Amino acid sequence: AQTVTQSQPEMSVQEAETVTLSCTYDTSESDYYLFWYKQPPSRQMILVIRQEAYKQQNATENRFSVNFQKAAKSFSLKISDSQLGDAAMYFCAYTEDKIIFGKGTRLHILP
Amino acid sequence: KAGVTQTPRYLIKTRGQQVTLSCSPISGHRSVSWYQQTPGQGLQFLFEYFSETQRNKGNFPGRFSGRQFSNSRSEMNVSTLELGDSALYLCASSLSPVGTAAKNIQYFGAGTRLSVL
Repeated sequence: AQTVTQSQPEMSVQEAETVTLSCTYDTSESDYYLFWYKQPPSRQMILVIRQEAYKQQNATENRFSVNFQKAAKSFSLKISDSQLGDAAMYFCAYTEDKIIFGKGTRLHILP
Repeated sequence: KAGVTQTPRYLIKTRGQQVTLSCSPISGHRSVSWYQQTPGQGLQFLFEYFSETQRNKGNFPGRFSGRQFSNSRSEMNVSTLELGDSALYLCASSLSPVGTAAKNIQYFGAGTRLSVL
């Protein structure tokens, strides 16, 4: 069965600094998608970034970028120039036919 | 364009009762998925509906059921509530024109917080 592991339950970063959230997954499939979702205190899940497994180029969305290592089954999220509004739970998710989420990383932004 | 709307936002029930949660997807979205979020188990996929048909389901007991109406609105029902059913229930909608919803971007509602006493 597919699994998603986020090894950092909590992280803190100084405002304006860069932080990287880790995610590894296990699958025997070759065609799948990976996502990072953000859940702020309002509870609403928001898509941060999406990566298609067959694309070698790492996805980027403004200050958010990923380091996708398919052979290593690793999918980390880098947040540059961290802002107070980035404070949230971040979930890594794998999908082939249904979505499997990691346990999440709570990110604190220190002013 | 209005987002995904879930009602009610909060619900308190007692063991043995049943509950129905509602989800209105984004206009034009035909797929609705449901998730259970708990501190212990995290986010778990319940089921997905597309065009009034259940297209995919997770590993939950038969007490959890759902349906989708012709306007794409969806309801989730939990019968014979147990204490362990206390959770945040999230609904997500997507366009899902082909394949399953999982590969399409899903837009989430704010959830229904269910407490079972």
